Amino acid sequence: KNEVEQSPQNLTAQEGEFITINCSYSVGISALHWLQQHPGGGIVSLFMLSSGKKKHGRLIATINIQEKHSSLHITASHPRDSAVYICAAANTGNQFYFGTGTSLTVIP
Amino acid sequence: KAGVTQTPRYLIKTRGQQVTLSCSPISGHRSVSWYQQTPGQGLQFLFEYFSETQRNKGNFPGRFSGRQFSNSRSEMNVSTLELGDSALYLCASSFTIVGGTDTQYFGPGTRLTVL
Repeated sequence: KNEVEQSPQNLTAQEGEFITINCSYSVGISALHWLQQHPGGGIVSLFMLSSGKKKHGRLIATINIQEKHSSLHITASHPRDSAVYICAAANTGNQFYFGTGTSLTVIP
Repeated sequence: KAGVTQTPRYLIKTRGQQVTLSCSPISGHRSVSWYQQTPGQGLQFLFEYFSETQRNKGNFPGRFSGRQFSNSRSEMNVSTLELGDSALYLCASSFTIVGGTDTQYFGPGTRLTVL
């Protein structure tokens, strides 16, 4: 069993739709990271959270420590949001466990 | 501030050879982590260095090694290359406090192909 499970694996949405990507983890964490990877390989860190909720523009990340679950929401999705979204659980030693990623395609 | 840089960006080697990849972190960052990304296994943690010391190591064979210099620059070495080592190798730096985690800033990666 993987330490981090993500769903769905693939997601296609119409522009403007509200999108949710889920992440469950089984390891003890210092923080949960959400990453975005565009075609070509570049990875950008979107959020690092250890409790509650964070918002950046149209992106919202939440975490429930008791349930070991996190969600990434995209409001009013746009074609430029098309990318692979990866959640990663980091322990106190800064060792990372990655989900398999969610490939998002937003159609105009 | 300049971002994380990795050299070379692309590399082709043959089985049995060895390879050294380099990573220069963002100025002021003392933690450098290395990751391997393949289509089959996704992203996997290789190791992390902090102040020239390896703090963590993932589940990879001893052919994979690394080091960090006093200026925080890091190198990763893979000896006796195998076909399965073909992957995108990413490094990331962070201003990590001891006993915690911090935002990772990723480099563009080195695409290694083993023939």
